[in-house]
Amino acid sequence: GAGVSQSPRYKVAKRGQDVALRCDPISGHVSLFWYQQALGQGPEFLTYFQNEAQLDKSGLPSDRFFAERPEGSVSTLKIQRTQQEDSAVYLCASSLVGVETEAFFGQGTRLTVV
Amino acid sequence: GENVEQHPSTLSVQEGDSAVIKCTYSDSASNYFPWYKQELGKGPQLIIDIRSNVGEKKDQRIAVTLNKTAKHFSLHITETQPEDSAVYFCAASKGGSYIPTFGRGTSLIVHP
Repeated sequence: GAGVSQSPRYKVAKRGQDVALRCDPISGHVSLFWYQQALGQGPEFLTYFQNEAQLDKSGLPSDRFFAERPEGSVSTLKIQRTQQEDSAVYLCASSLVGVETEAFFGQGTRLTVV
Repeated sequence: GENVEQHPSTLSVQEGDSAVIKCTYSDSASNYFPWYKQELGKGPQLIIDIRSNVGEKKDQRIAVTLNKTAKHFSLHITETQPEDSAVYFCAASKGGSYIPTFGRGTSLIVHP
């Protein structure tokens, strides 16, 4: 595809449910980032991959959050036992290489925990 | 870690006026400063960026200035149009790994 694709676009989860959010980066992009964007706020960094290696996961808010990119392309962000405070838009971005190149963002997945 | 402050949080202008959004950063090692535009229901899109070896960069109606000593940078939009209405984010990152830290955003409203 031409851009970063995220699915689903919208997800409603009951509190305590597990969710999985998918990101298809631009083909050939080495770096992949996950951000969390609360309503009216800027994106907050969650985690960063270079190919299949997760180089930085310092932004993951708790051990309920887990991300993987097993083959260095598609990535999945999993949230276990969702809580209301997890409600946010989850943005994925990819870039060609990791050093000071433009990151292209997907449209995001809006997660609502009820 | 890096901390990016952005002002104002909302900005309302008349079509044709100029708009200025200001950001400050805390980490003097930051050397790359992108600006993103986010329209409703979409992801942020890069509109302009500046690196620490230059003080100003211009692209048609958009310009960005950087003052490394004061650790602040600004976005200037001239001759604003209604389609400029969106949320604008500044960001800062260090060389080596591109993990930008974002400001909280400015909601720009351009009235026709």
